[in-house]
Amino acid sequence: NAGVTQTPKFQVLKTGQSMTLQCAQDMNHEYMSWYRQDPGMGLRLIHYSVGAGITDQGEVPNGYNVSRSTTEDFPLRLLSAAPSQTSVYFCASRTPGQANYGYTFGSGTRLTVV
Amino acid sequence: RKEVEQDPGPFNVPEGATVAFNCTYSNSASQSFFWYRQDCRKEPKLLMSVYSSGNEDGRFTAQLNRASQYISLLIRDSKLSDSATYLCVVYNFNKFYFGSGTKLNVKP
Repeated sequence: NAGVTQTPKFQVLKTGQSMTLQCAQDMNHEYMSWYRQDPGMGLRLIHYSVGAGITDQGEVPNGYNVSRSTTEDFPLRLLSAAPSQTSVYFCASRTPGQANYGYTFGSGTRLTVV
Repeated sequence: RKEVEQDPGPFNVPEGATVAFNCTYSNSASQSFFWYRQDCRKEPKLLMSVYSSGNEDGRFTAQLNRASQYISLLIRDSKLSDSATYLCVVYNFNKFYFGSGTKLNVKP
């Protein structure tokens, strides 16, 4: 099992560019989430999904879109990149009803917007 | 007010020391609690869940105090490999809330 796979690992964007961060999991987890991690801020929830075709906003959704067409994939789209979106992005997944097992995280995407 | 608050540290301790971290949470209805470990430039990984009665996993002991709304992590006989950032995580209503982490440096 690969677990949660994120691509790319690193990315530099110019202000105003758009891009998609990819996330795929092979554990048949229904729940998937995107977080961003900034120094001193902890991980903040951007968007999450409780199953294919269902998404919802988290704490900091502005500037990001998501879709969940399959159980395996949960891409995060930056519509028009801004320097404030410079961050480390983590995708995570888990099985519903097993909250005590927490999340499995991908290895992260380090994004710099210049 | 943040959902979860932690002392950022760093805690600098010698090998073999015992060290404890606390974290407070704001929502009294929170359902589940965790400690995650995050190494530098790596993803967070689940260290242990925290149960109401307290639980132990080797050198690590976690405690929950619902009345005061805090959880704690005790590490005994610290190893160099314990150096990391420890994230306190609280779960309620389908969402996980992460603290900003406490940095631990274990020195030889």
